[in-house]
Amino acid sequence: EAQVTQNPRYLITVTGKKLTVTCSQNMNHEYMSWYRQDPGLGLRQIYYSMNVEVTDKGDVPEGYKVSRKEKRNFPLILESPSPNQTSLYFCASSLGTGLAEQFFGPGTRLTVL
Amino acid sequence: DQQVKQNSPSLSVQEGRISILNCDYTNSMFDYFLWYKKYPAEGPTFLISISSIKDKNEDGRFTVFLNKSAKHLSLHIVPSQPGDSAVYFCAASPKGNLIFGKGTKLSVKP
Repeated sequence: EAQVTQNPRYLITVTGKKLTVTCSQNMNHEYMSWYRQDPGLGLRQIYYSMNVEVTDKGDVPEGYKVSRKEKRNFPLILESPSPNQTSLYFCASSLGTGLAEQFFGPGTRLTVL
Repeated sequence: DQQVKQNSPSLSVQEGRISILNCDYTNSMFDYFLWYKKYPAEGPTFLISISSIKDKNEDGRFTVFLNKSAKHLSLHIVPSQPGDSAVYFCAASPKGNLIFGKGTKLSVKP
């Protein structure tokens, strides 16, 4: 089944404790992206990657890191999480930048205390 | 400044009637527009899209209209069904990235 998977689905952590949210897709997509969804703010892009070893900042990259060492995986790293990073995170992928229909993962709900 | 605006946070419609969701954008360089639907506890799913070279695209009960001069697009759902109740996000695509609006929560009442 073609899908985007994220882990964990739910995470409660404390300020300053490094964490990684994994994202994997099995569709051989070139383009991957991370979004956060907050009440009243909709979906905002954090980082995106157009291909392996190519990443770029989205609209709200502060406090986040990403890496794209292989095509299928695009982990989101919070080196020192803070409470304002409490949010619902979505990973997405698409076949290419010219094909904008993106497939989204199920989401990761992160709470930073 | 918001580049994609959905000015109605919510919309309530009777089953069988038409739902019209609106979206405005500011950047005339946007060349591709999409609508995504999101149920609670799930990721958004692609619904329908339209290229800037068209003014209408239809897929079953869903039709998207694009008015480039007004920088406005709308999603029509006819007839609306209770299963259509969800949050609908409008998105614009400059060069493959997606810029989303804040979403409109549609409630279709039986």
